[in-house]
Amino acid sequence: DAGVIQSPRHEVTEMGQEVTLRCKPISGHNSLFWYRQTMMRGLELLIYFNNNVPIDDSGMPEDRFSAKMPNASFSTLKIQPSEPRDSAVYFCASIEDGATNEKLFFGSGTQLSVL
Amino acid sequence: SQQGEEDPQALSIQEGENATMNCSYKTSINNLQWYRQNSGRGLVHLILIRSNEREKHSGRLRVTLDTSKKSSSLLITASRAADTASYFCATDGGSYIPTFGRGTSLIVHP
Repeated sequence: DAGVIQSPRHEVTEMGQEVTLRCKPISGHNSLFWYRQTMMRGLELLIYFNNNVPIDDSGMPEDRFSAKMPNASFSTLKIQPSEPRDSAVYFCASIEDGATNEKLFFGSGTQLSVL
Repeated sequence: SQQGEEDPQALSIQEGENATMNCSYKTSINNLQWYRQNSGRGLVHLILIRSNEREKHSGRLRVTLDTSKKSSSLLITASRAADTASYFCATDGGSYIPTFGRGTSLIVHP
C-alpha cells in the first residue's frame, strides 16, 4: 500500500485566496483525521471522520475552514478565504479501527504558506 | 486543546548514550502512544501502551506508564545519529481521539 497520500506537498497562496488540501487514506481504514502543526501550537486536531461521517470538528478554527469526506478514499480540507495565520503544515492521518484509534498512519503533510 | 505535554522540549546527547523523554497528561486515558517525526515528514507510530500496562519494550525502546501520576516516559537506549528526530506522545483523554503534545526534539551527535 502507498500509505496516506496528501496533495499538494507545498502550497503558496495569497491572502484571501481559497485553498484546498487533499487526502487519500489507506484503503480499508475507516477513520480519518486532519491535524495542523505550527511551532507555536504544536500538533492540533482539526477534525475527525469515522466511516466518512464527521464525528468531532471542535478543533476547526473558524467558519473559514471546512472539511468533507465524500467517500472512504478521499477527503478535502478547504480554507476560504485564507489568511497569513493559516500558514502551517497540515497532516492527514488514517486508522484501521476507528473504535480504538490505535496507531495513526500519517501522510507527508502539506506545507501551506499564505502571503 | 492539548492533552499531553512532553519534557524536555529539546535534548542533545552523544551517540551511544541513552535518551529519556517524558510525557505528562491531564485526564484519564485508554492508551498512550509515542510517535517519531523526522524533519519535513509525517509522524510515524513507535509504540502503544494501554492504561492497564506499566511497561513495554520494542527493540531499543522502553516505555513506562504511571497512571497515578498521569505520566509516561520513553527511553531510547544506545542512541544512534539516525535517532535524531522529534518525539511526540499522544493521549486519548478516554475518548479514543488521539491528541498530541508539542514534542521533544532529540539530537544525537555522532
